[in-house]
Amino acid sequence: QIMLTQPPSASASLGAAVNLTCSLNSGHSGYAVAWHQHQSEKGPRFLLRINPDGSHIKGDGIPDRFSASSSGGERHLTISRLQSEDEADYYCQTWGTGFVVFGGGTKLTVL
Amino acid sequence: QVMLAESGGGLVKPGESLRLSCVVSGFTFSDFYMSWFRRAPGKGLEWVAYISPSGLSDFYSGSVKGRFTVSRDNAQNSFSLEMSSLRVEDTATYYCARARDYYDNNGYSPFDLWGRGTLVFVSS
Repeated sequence: QIMLTQPPSASASLGAAVNLTCSLNSGHSGYAVAWHQHQSEKGPRFLLRINPDGSHIKGDGIPDRFSASSSGGERHLTISRLQSEDEADYYCQTWGTGFVVFGGGTKLTVL
Repeated sequence: QVMLAESGGGLVKPGESLRLSCVVSGFTFSDFYMSWFRRAPGKGLEWVAYISPSGLSDFYSGSVKGRFTVSRDNAQNSFSLEMSSLRVEDTATYYCARARDYYDNNGYSPFDLWGRGTLVFVSS
């Protein structure tokens, strides 16, 4: 059974960069993962899908400040030049026939 | 305009039923998987159910299987979630989302568009 693990919280200063990590459990390192942003009182927003080889596709209108990389069973989301509106919960997610799995989410605080 | 919009949420008592709807616009509905997700207060995003583009296949999370039913009408561009035997722990904001019917060697297309959600509150 596939599982995604995320640290519960992260913080970084305005204008800095932050790296958020999503870890796939053993035996599932070949899965692509989507990253979604969920701001308070809004619907979630698809950011990008990161593949095992590090290639990724972004959602419509997602700025270049958002990028991604992959290393083994880890899928990383990097946000550069942090803005106050980046403060949100970030979820990694994958799915297949009969299942959809989320990580527990990382709450990002912009200092 | 490409969008999804949920409706039908409200306050219900445990054991009661509720039907949520998701109105879609701006894209070819029958080209997409459709899914329901939820987020309970203080918790993370959780998958509820999804249905194939044709409507012939549907899948449910273990927490709702047997109580919730997802359906779609491609002629009407409509997508619904029928919830029965509601429990206090079903209290959440419910979101619909779409994923293109496309699969490559990296897996399924992502859920790339979400609605704003509708709140379901189950309380006696």
